[in-house]
Amino acid sequence: QKEVEQNSGPLSVPEGAIASLNCTYSDRGSQSFFWYRQYSGKSPELIMFIYSNGDKEDGRFTAQLNKASQYVSLLIRDSQPSDSATYLCAVFPPFSGGYNKLIFGAGTRLAVHP
Amino acid sequence: DVKVTQSSRYLVKRTGEKVFLECVQDMDHENMFWYRQDPGLGLRLIYFSYDVKMKEKGDIPEGYSVSREKKERFSLILESASTNQTSMYLCASSLIPFNEQFFGPGTRLTVL
Repeated sequence: QKEVEQNSGPLSVPEGAIASLNCTYSDRGSQSFFWYRQYSGKSPELIMFIYSNGDKEDGRFTAQLNKASQYVSLLIRDSQPSDSATYLCAVFPPFSGGYNKLIFGAGTRLAVHP
Repeated sequence: DVKVTQSSRYLVKRTGEKVFLECVQDMDHENMFWYRQDPGLGLRLIYFSYDVKMKEKGDIPEGYSVSREKKERFSLILESASTNQTSMYLCASSLIPFNEQFFGPGTRLTVL
């Protein structure tokens, strides 16, 4: 069973702090990794994607991938109340014949308080 | 900018009705997806399509069917709506399978 695990939260951080969101996946050899942000009542929107081991930075967001340990994380620096949302981790598993599907975690709810 | 649109934001139907949910994307994407999202269960894939007239079952296809007659349009059909199909339905598209998926705004369906 291919799985993507996230702590459901809520993860509560003060404004200005670093929020660290973690995701583990079961399928070694997974190819690509995505972080989506979803505000309440809205659809998911892509924040970042990462394919290679290491860090990838985009503004206040940094995605970190460690394929050996099978985890991917998202760091949000200088957290703002507007970052309060549910963050979904999604993983594309290794090709195994047929058509592969993106596997989503259940999401971590982040609450940034002033 | 990729745009994925869905025919309705909110829909209320009665048990037993046939329900059509429409999704249109404007970026010539090959792949289109239908998900439902329920509290505590996350996103669950219902069906996807990788080409016109082609479809594949996702994780929870029971009670649903799909149609893709044109590349830009992917329809989800509830043949006989039931109360347990009350949910948020999300359509998505992607250029190639392992690329990022772009989501539409969602349709919140209530079946009474």
